[in-house]
Amino acid sequence: DSGVTQTPKHLITATGQRVTLRCSPRSGDLSVYWYQQSLDQGLQFLIQYYNGEERAKGNILERFSAQQFPDLHSELNLSSLELGDSALYFCASSVATRGRDTGELFFGEGSRLTVL
Amino acid sequence: GQQLNQSPQSMFIQEGEDVSMNCTSSSIFNTWLWYKQDPGEGPVLLIALYKAGELTSNGRLTAQFGITRKDSFLNISASIPSDVGIYFCAGQRTSYGKLTFGQGTILTVHP
Repeated sequence: DSGVTQTPKHLITATGQRVTLRCSPRSGDLSVYWYQQSLDQGLQFLIQYYNGEERAKGNILERFSAQQFPDLHSELNLSSLELGDSALYFCASSVATRGRDTGELFFGEGSRLTVL
Repeated sequence: GQQLNQSPQSMFIQEGEDVSMNCTSSSIFNTWLWYKQDPGEGPVLLIALYKAGELTSNGRLTAQFGITRKDSFLNISASIPSDVGIYFCAGQRTSYGKLTFGQGTILTVHP
């Protein structure tokens, strides 16, 4: 158990819909990351938050947005869903500080999104 | 963007054999990490490397940070069935930069 909690574990929805994925980081971790894993794409970095502020942005579509709340949990919002958005979405947290991020991430079990 | 080329893409080995996989990049990385993903789970950190030339072991796993800082290697000795999974390399260019992941090596171990 990594200590990172993601909900829901599975989600099936239709094209055009909007979903929200939720993540609670490990106790004490200030940094949260979101990754997308498709069958043929490996782990694609979407976005990182540190203590409530956006820190780094990767290949995140404009239809997707995220935020980190004062209690440090994070949500990833996916809207106008397309078939190609079907994937595993992972949240990870780390003991990052303001000036250093070791890269040692603790991943949740993922949320599997299926868009029909 | 930055890309990590991980090879091989997949390996089929017999229990007891040693395994080697590597990761290369055209860019320099200051940190190299290796993660393993079991089926239905999130990736788990195996080894982290922070200095060029560094050789680090974790049980039967040994990883090296290439001297050019553009590559890293992971070796697994005396493989066992529970070594099955996907192994990912990851690189970080700066002390606070995002991680870039390789495409993964799928390892299958036959008893």
